[in-house]
Amino acid sequence: EVQLLESGGGLVQPGGSLRLSCEASGFMFSRFDMTWVRQGPGMGLEWVSLISATDGSTHYADSVKGRFIISRDNSKNTLSLQMNSLRVEDTAVYYCVKGAWADVWGQGTTVTVSS
Amino acid sequence: DVVMTQSPLSLPVTLGQPASISCRSSQSLVHSDGNTYLNWFQQRPGQSPRRLIYMVSNRDSGVPDRFSGSGSGTDFTLKISRVEAEDVGIYYCMQATHWPLLTFGGGTKVEIK
Repeated sequence: EVQLLESGGGLVQPGGSLRLSCEASGFMFSRFDMTWVRQGPGMGLEWVSLISATDGSTHYADSVKGRFIISRDNSKNTLSLQMNSLRVEDTAVYYCVKGAWADVWGQGTTVTVSS
Repeated sequence: DVVMTQSPLSLPVTLGQPASISCRSSQSLVHSDGNTYLNWFQQRPGQSPRRLIYMVSNRDSGVPDRFSGSGSGTDFTLKISRVEAEDVGIYYCMQATHWPLLTFGGGTKVEIK
């Protein structure tokens, strides 16, 4: 069974940092692009970042560019999102998503940025 | 950037009746490889999104056949032939044609009248 398990969410003050992780199982992790998508309170889905399986290239939404860093460890089947200089508007549930076609989603981890 | 526009925002439906959701993109979603990477997702209350349809009209495994997708170019539609209580939730379209910048529609809330 394909599974994605996020962790690392929590409460952080504006300007702080947080690192999210996603443990993948049930599929050949190294062969798939991986994506982070977030959903603010009562809001829709927003693509955040993608890391390519082919060349490890990283891509970001303008709203997080320069502050967030996506990475992957294929030996551990793990995806990460380092979030720096957090803002109140980064408050959201963050989903780890398999592939650019988004066929499998994790349960999400909640990030709250507040003073 | 590609903008995805869904309508309506809210869709009250009587049980057993059909429902239709529109999704329009600001640019063509036909990829250079000839495919169109337009997906539909369902998010039930309190749950993670679940993909229903990929590449415009292909149902994911386990998705009831009352769900169907159609469209081309910039105009796409998700139809539910006969709405059931378990279909309540928010539906999103998403384009992956313009990889790596993925874009979601704003969502359509389906509720029972």
